[in-house]
Amino acid sequence: QQQVKQSPQSLIVQKGGISIINCAYENTAFDYFPWYQQFPGKGPALLIAIRPDVSEKKEGRFTISFNKSAKQFSLHIMDSQPGDSATYFCAASMVGTYKYIFGTGTRLKVLA
Amino acid sequence: GAGVSQTPSNKVTEKGKYVELRCDPISGHTALYWYRQSLGQGPEFLIYFQGTGAADDSGLPNDRFFAVRPEGSVSTLKIQRTERGDSAVYLCASSLNQGRGSFPTDTQYFGPGTRLTVL
Repeated sequence: QQQVKQSPQSLIVQKGGISIINCAYENTAFDYFPWYQQFPGKGPALLIAIRPDVSEKKEGRFTISFNKSAKQFSLHIMDSQPGDSATYFCAASMVGTYKYIFGTGTRLKVLA
Repeated sequence: GAGVSQTPSNKVTEKGKYVELRCDPISGHTALYWYRQSLGQGPEFLIYFQGTGAADDSGLPNDRFFAVRPEGSVSTLKIQRTERGDSAVYLCASSLNQGRGSFPTDTQYFGPGTRLTVL
């Protein structure tokens, strides 16, 4: 119940295309869902985050879609660029806690 | 200002040795976290400090692992009798407050990590 399942493991997208990464969870006590971007040799950096009281959040080319009933959320990267090539992690945080439960990551490659 | 810094960036040690990994959080951040990231996996929570005290050490895998934050700023993760299975990237993060997910004050900012290799 503590797990966050992330898919796909890797993704190749053409420049200008849409990248979609999906995550699913079981524990309904999770109430905060951040997405982190990680480049090789660097620590994860917060990209965008959402709470379950909204179904969608958009920041620039990045959008989180949240389906509370299905216990799923996804990251959409519009107009994907080669500079977006990185590993993306979804995470979840539970009510009353502060530790993040991370997914296993998606390695995105955007072809020029 | 500067981000979270971690030293050393790489550490190679032999099985059975003792190691210390250092984290310098963002100035003014009261909350500090340690995570461990194995190859091809997401970060896994180890321990959380609020100020000087360890508020939650439930993620520490066993008693060979210990962390301190004596003055509420810099933290040191200590690993005794290292094993090959301890090889991973150890990440430190800090947040202004308790990391409860209230943007932006509770956003967890990660350092670049220390890559530990136990031979």
